[in-house]
Amino acid sequence: DAKTTQPPSMDCAEGRAANLPCNHSTISGNEYVYWYRQIHSQGPQYIIHGLKNNETNEMASLIITEDRKSSTLILPHATLRDTAVYYCIVRGLYNFNKFYFGSGTKLNVKP
Amino acid sequence: DTAVSQTPKYLVTQMGNDKSIKCEQNLGHDTMYWYKQDSKKFLKIMFSYNNKELIINETVPNRFSPKSPDKAHLNLHINSLELGDSAVYFCASSGDSNYGYTFGSGTRLTVV
Repeated sequence: DAKTTQPPSMDCAEGRAANLPCNHSTISGNEYVYWYRQIHSQGPQYIIHGLKNNETNEMASLIITEDRKSSTLILPHATLRDTAVYYCIVRGLYNFNKFYFGSGTKLNVKP
Repeated sequence: DTAVSQTPKYLVTQMGNDKSIKCEQNLGHDTMYWYKQDSKKFLKIMFSYNNKELIINETVPNRFSPKSPDKAHLNLHINSLELGDSAVYFCASSGDSNYGYTFGSGTRLTVV
C-alpha cells in the first residue's frame, strides 16, 4: 500500500473551510484514496473516498490532483465537532489488504 | 442498531489474567478485523478474518488468539496479560461496499 504524508496538526476557525492536505506520491493506478477521522477516542469514521475524480458527499469534498500524487479533504464549514484526527489512506479496492493508518492530521477547530 | 458492537467498553484487569473481548457486526460483512491503538495513538492492524478464516496475522504475540465462530462475530482472547497490552482495541468489518471499514467504538483495556 502507498505511503501517505500529512501535516501533524492544523487549526481552523469555526465556520470556515478546513483544507487538509495529503501527499501520496507512490500511489498506483488501482489504489483509491480514503479519508477517515477519529474523534477523541471513538472508532475511526469513514468520510469519503475517490480514485481520480473529485468527490463530494454530505460530510466533505475530496480533491485529487490530476497526477494523483496528492489530495485535499475539504470540510466546507468546520464546526467544533469536527475537531478530530484525520487520516488519509491509500489502498486497492475490494482487496483484503490492510488499511494502514499513519499518524494523521489533528484538526483543531476554534471558536 | 449498532453496526459494529464491542463488549466490554472498559476492561481493567491484573497482570497474568486471561480476558476476552467480543465483537459483533450486523452489516452482513464478510471480513472482520482487530486493530490496536496504543498510548501514542497509532492504529495497527492485528488480525483479519474473512468468512471465519484467518487471512491477516500481523506480528502479534501468540498470547492473542482471535476466534470467529461465524462471519458476524470475531472475538479476541488474550492470555497472560502484560502491562504493555494496555491499549484501546477496535474491531472493524468490511464488505463488498467500497466504503472501506466500519469500526466499533473500542474497548479500553487497562492492565495493572
